[in-house]
Amino acid sequence: EAGVAQSPRYKIIEKRQSVAFWCNPISGHATLYWYQQILGQGPKLLIQFQNNGVVDDSQLPKDRFSAERLKGVDSTLKIQPAKLEDSAVYLCASSPGPNTGEVFFGEGSRLTVL
Amino acid sequence: DQQVKQNSPSLSVQEGRISILNCDYTNSMFDYFLWYKKYPAEGPTFLISISSIKDKNEDGRFTVFLNKSAKHLSLHIVPSQPGDSAVYFCAASSHGSGNTGKLIFGQGTTLQVKP
Repeated sequence: EAGVAQSPRYKIIEKRQSVAFWCNPISGHATLYWYQQILGQGPKLLIQFQNNGVVDDSQLPKDRFSAERLKGVDSTLKIQPAKLEDSAVYLCASSPGPNTGEVFFGEGSRLTVL
Repeated sequence: DQQVKQNSPSLSVQEGRISILNCDYTNSMFDYFLWYKKYPAEGPTFLISISSIKDKNEDGRFTVFLNKSAKHLSLHIVPSQPGDSAVYFCAASSHGSGNTGKLIFGQGTTLQVKP
């Protein structure tokens, strides 16, 4: 079974530029998450989707971050404009449902903002 | 407010000995706890979990203990192997009605197992 796919793996941009990350969850998984992991810290949830609806986006900086999951399958996370403090690994994860326990993570997209 | 804390940033043990990683939480609504392992340049991978109705769960060399009264859980690895060297994250979630089941992570503990 294929795991959670993410691209690109690495991205370097200058501040005030924009960037987009793509995620394809495990087939059949209804719940999709985007986490931000800053160096030396644990992953922090940015947004959680149930199918194509947003369940939790309380920690998403909505002035610069946006995410969508239009068809309830793959998802895109966008940052515009980027700030230096956005440098982090962006992890996509999925699970069969919101309360099914284990969450499966992709390899992450490492963003460096110069 | 750090709801899940791993107070030891790093741990070094000798191969064959026991590794004990600790985690504390503050939210009494958490009812499911997980440990993830992360190698450099990879995403976290699930290791073991425990429901709040249990106080111990064992899977091979890995055992997780939960002390609800102390709001504390620990991961024991016996015997430790060099391949266990990684960052270990503790995570917690709430699965009751009205909860989203999102994972709240600790800061991680870097385990080094020396040959």
